[in-house]
Amino acid sequence: GAVVSQHPSRVICKSGTSVKIECRSLDFQATTMFWYRQFPKQSLMLMATSNEGSKATYEQGVEKDKFLINHASLTLSTLTVTSAHPEDSSFYICSARDWGQEYGYTFGSGTRLTVV
Amino acid sequence: QKEVEQDPGPLSVPEGAIVSLNCTYSNSAFQYFMWYRQYSRKGPELLMYTYSSGNKEDGRFTAQVDKSSKYISLFIRDSQPSDSATYLCAMRPSTGNQFYFGTGTSLTVIP
Repeated sequence: GAVVSQHPSRVICKSGTSVKIECRSLDFQATTMFWYRQFPKQSLMLMATSNEGSKATYEQGVEKDKFLINHASLTLSTLTVTSAHPEDSSFYICSARDWGQEYGYTFGSGTRLTVV
Repeated sequence: QKEVEQDPGPLSVPEGAIVSLNCTYSNSAFQYFMWYRQYSRKGPELLMYTYSSGNKEDGRFTAQVDKSSKYISLFIRDSQPSDSATYLCAMRPSTGNQFYFGTGTSLTVIP
């Protein structure tokens, strides 16, 4: 089945620094990837939709200048949290659409970001 | 009102029990209904998906969708300790990629 690799799985950074999270589709090409955020005991909230070769589409309330998304190839999308603050600490999960499968949405394993 | 409502639990059952997990929703445009299992600090793993109404069975798991009541269920038979996880329901319309997730129900199966 389709596999989505997300890296790193955990990261701790200082306030004010930037952190990059990578999401790779390993055995399929993903023209569309999705970035979610999950707080403890809460549901996944879609942050943005990443489209290969074009600008990402951000959900209402998500700061595009703070959460930079780059989808430069058919297998890689990156999310950069810029000038991180403690309130950005969360679990970030990516998902990719494999159009070759009937149900082609596969999630990465997530990244636990802690900003200190 | 949230798009998708799910009782967060926690739910604790003895090994071998039948587990019933449920979600309700408000948007009649939802056509795809999914159940995901999420272990601690991991990404969601798809268990089952159903298009429109009806039942679907896969091994010990059965998914039911009642669109008239806007209610979906996941049944786990002969529950095992390895089933201990958080179960998320999700749904989306027939067009577009927007998923709507429940908050997840935490399940513990006690040996």
